[in-house]
Amino acid sequence: DIQLTQSPSSLSASVGDRVTFTCQASQDITNYLNWYQQKPGKAPKLLIYDASSLATGVPSRFSGSGSGTDFTFTISSLQADDIGTYYCQQYDTSFTFGPGTKVDIK
Amino acid sequence: QITLKESGPTLVKPTQTLTLTCTFSGFSLNSDGVGVAWIRQPPGKALEWLALIFWDDDTRYSPSLKSRLTITKDTSKNQVVLTMTNMDPLDTATYYCAHSDYGGNWFDPWGQGTLVSVSS
Repeated sequence: DIQLTQSPSSLSASVGDRVTFTCQASQDITNYLNWYQQKPGKAPKLLIYDASSLATGVPSRFSGSGSGTDFTFTISSLQADDIGTYYCQQYDTSFTFGPGTKVDIK
Repeated sequence: QITLKESGPTLVKPTQTLTLTCTFSGFSLNSDGVGVAWIRQPPGKALEWLALIFWDDDTRYSPSLKSRLTITKDTSKNQVVLTMTNMDPLDTATYYCAHSDYGGNWFDPWGQGTLVSVSS
């Protein structure tokens, strides 16, 4: 099974800050990685697919990068509406989600 | 606009079989590359993929739960059904269904989810 680890597990930042967190796969998954945002009490929403492609309608302040085993998700200027938990998901072998990074406003 | 909605019991007893229905609109499960997945989330915990069915009846299951899961589709009703046998309190979770395209690589959009509790 491919395991995903996310760091940090939670972070607190101010509005306007650049926020970055990571997802590491237990083996090479090329670019077969997606990112989702889950706001409190809501279903997850796809933000990034194939490691770096922005999903339709997603603001450009969100971005993703990486390949192989190490991936990064960035919010260029944190907005109050961005609070929630962010999950990475691989589809190289079956499907696995990471444990999530919880983002809130300082 | 693609929408999905989960339905089923909110409470099941241990050892019972859970049957959940996903009713969708805005796409056809007869179209190449299209699928519908089930994903669950225990309270306060992370997401766990369960199963996926494709337009051509190909099915995929979580290796750890494969023996307990069955996913089927009824394209005439725009529905996908998930059954999970031998329910346990650890299966208490919000169960989501989600649309998948381009061969099933990501899930977008998702239904609102339905909370299923397992308790005697």
